[in-house]
Amino acid sequence: DAGVIQSPRHEVTEMGQEVTLRCKPISGHDYLFWYRQTMMRGLELLIYFNNNVPIDDSGMPEDRFSAKMPNASFSTLKIQPSEPRDSAVYFCASSNNYNEQFFGPGTRLTVL
Amino acid sequence: GENVEQHPSTLSVQEGDSAVIKCTYSDSASNYFPWYKQELGKGPQLIIDIRSNVGEKKDQRIAVTLNKTAKHFSLHITETQPEDSAVYFCAAAGGSYIPTFGRGTSLIVHP
Repeated sequence: DAGVIQSPRHEVTEMGQEVTLRCKPISGHDYLFWYRQTMMRGLELLIYFNNNVPIDDSGMPEDRFSAKMPNASFSTLKIQPSEPRDSAVYFCASSNNYNEQFFGPGTRLTVL
Repeated sequence: GENVEQHPSTLSVQEGDSAVIKCTYSDSASNYFPWYKQELGKGPQLIIDIRSNVGEKKDQRIAVTLNKTAKHFSLHITETQPEDSAVYFCAAAGGSYIPTFGRGTSLIVHP
């Protein structure tokens, strides 16, 4: 298996623009997680899905952030409109049980 | 909710020395404690985990210990090598099995 796939790997955009991050989990995994990593706040859980259903989105910072999982092999995290303070590395992870989470390589987002 | 504290934030050792990273957690219901290693430019990767029914687990040069009474657990790396240089995260999970991560420890192993 190729592991968790994220795209793009790097994204540079201007304040106010819409940003869409994409994730393909490992086949057969029924949990999908979105994290944000910054120096100031460390690794933060934004939202997670189980069987494509959002279970806990309490980590989503504000209404500008939204996440979807239309099917078992694809998820998106959207920021609209983006702000400079959204600059971070965003990770997607998947799991098929209550144990190990497999992380993708991350998307480095820079909002100018 | 769970709160995980991790220390130190930075650890610098000489090759061959041992390294110890310590974490505390707040929720006594937590029963799963994974450790992740994050190399530069990559996502975190699980290196070892321990459950609350054991006090220690070892895998080659790495070991984890757990003290449920004191609510703390530690990662021990012996005979450190330059390739051990990375950021290490501890985490704790309870009934939901969704882990809460510590802030991370940047380990630097000098050749």
